[in-house]
Amino acid sequence: DTGVSQDPRHKITKRGQNVTFRCDPISEHNRLYWYRQTLGQGPEFLTYFQNEAQLEKSRLLSDRFSAERPKGSFSTLEIQRTEQGDSAMYLCASSFEGFREKLFFGSGTQLSVL
Amino acid sequence: LAKTTQPISMDSYEGQEVNITCSHNNIATNDYITWYQQFPSQGPRFIIQGYKTKVTNEVASLFIPADRKSSTLSLPRVSLSDTAVYYCLVGTDQGGKLIFGQGTELSVKP
Repeated sequence: DTGVSQDPRHKITKRGQNVTFRCDPISEHNRLYWYRQTLGQGPEFLTYFQNEAQLEKSRLLSDRFSAERPKGSFSTLEIQRTEQGDSAMYLCASSFEGFREKLFFGSGTQLSVL
Repeated sequence: LAKTTQPISMDSYEGQEVNITCSHNNIATNDYITWYQQFPSQGPRFIIQGYKTKVTNEVASLFIPADRKSSTLSLPRVSLSDTAVYYCLVGTDQGGKLIFGQGTELSVKP
């Protein structure tokens, strides 16, 4: 068990560019979550998957954001036409579906949009 | 999902016991309580989870009164390395998304 892995750790991009982040969950976990966190705030829920199915997506998430989890393993989060307001830490977590599941978080990808 | 309320910040000194209380007045019968810890530039880390009464593990204790409208995370004999943000969350039995509040920023001083 190597934990939840996120890549890259840091990303600097210019406004208007597209970016993609990757998350590799703990191998036996079938649920995968994406959160976004800005300085001084708690993580904000974006979306989550159970296996390859996207079960819920935050209404706060604009259509510039899309997430996939092909084959129920790793997941990608893409942001199109980035804006300065997208600058944040993007966190991925995984869990094993079950009674009172516990989330295991990665170290996040820090996005800076210039 | 039940909303939670916690103090924004707390200060303590090394060796003291720290108690952080969280209010969740609208907790439902099937909801449970979980606490996470977060250090700067890291993702949150699970600390402890409970449904009612008292739960203790190697890191902390969690006290939940009979009405379950609040819970208290107790950290015994804190050290400088316990300086972090602590989040109280309420989730349903079947899991799914967890809603984080602003958390409590604990500062431990020497």
